[in-house]
Amino acid sequence: ILNVEQSPQSLHVQEGDSTNFTCSFPSSNFYALHWYRWETAKSPEALFVMTLNGDEKKKGRISATLNTKEGYSYLYIKGSQPEDSATYLCAFTGFQKLVFGTGTRLLVSP
Amino acid sequence: DGGITQSPKYLFRKEGQNVTLSCEQNLNHDAMYWYRQDPGQGLRLIYYSQIVNDFQKGDIAEGYSVSREKKESFPLTVTSAQKNPTAFYLCASALRTGGNEQFFGPGTRLTVL
Repeated sequence: ILNVEQSPQSLHVQEGDSTNFTCSFPSSNFYALHWYRWETAKSPEALFVMTLNGDEKKKGRISATLNTKEGYSYLYIKGSQPEDSATYLCAFTGFQKLVFGTGTRLLVSP
Repeated sequence: DGGITQSPKYLFRKEGQNVTLSCEQNLNHDAMYWYRQDPGQGLRLIYYSQIVNDFQKGDIAEGYSVSREKKESFPLTVTSAQKNPTAFYLCASALRTGGNEQFFGPGTRLTVL
């Protein structure tokens, strides 16, 4: 079974702080790396799907980078807001199925 | 509105009973997935289907069964052989398997008494 690791497990920041999380995945047989945001009482929603080494994607204040050769991806949130509070999941796919990490739980206090 | 639905939201069953969780999508997606979440663990894949009349075991398929008779529907049966069925179950769909983003339903919380 493939292993996808995320760190930290949880994070508590103040409004306006910038923060980042790490996702580590196998560097062999890479096909794509997904980031999802999962807010309490809602369904997980896709943030990014990244496929190319060196890829950088951005959506508003959230951005992500990808290094497939060393097997890691970073998710950055600039100027965190309380509405960013959620669990952020990364998932690795070799092709057919996704393998999820355990997530990073972010709490942003006003 | 296009989307993916799961029912019921909460389900209670007695130990030893089979129970079927519903998952329907109207996104015209070929691929569908069932995941299980337990406290402190990531989403774990139970079964997935690439296309109608086809499905494959995921990482924790023992004690579960599925069918894919229609493109829109991918029901999951939790059988009495599943040793620890109490969990949160999420269904997802994607245009195809592989790198496509997955769209998730709201989930079903199953409690076996």
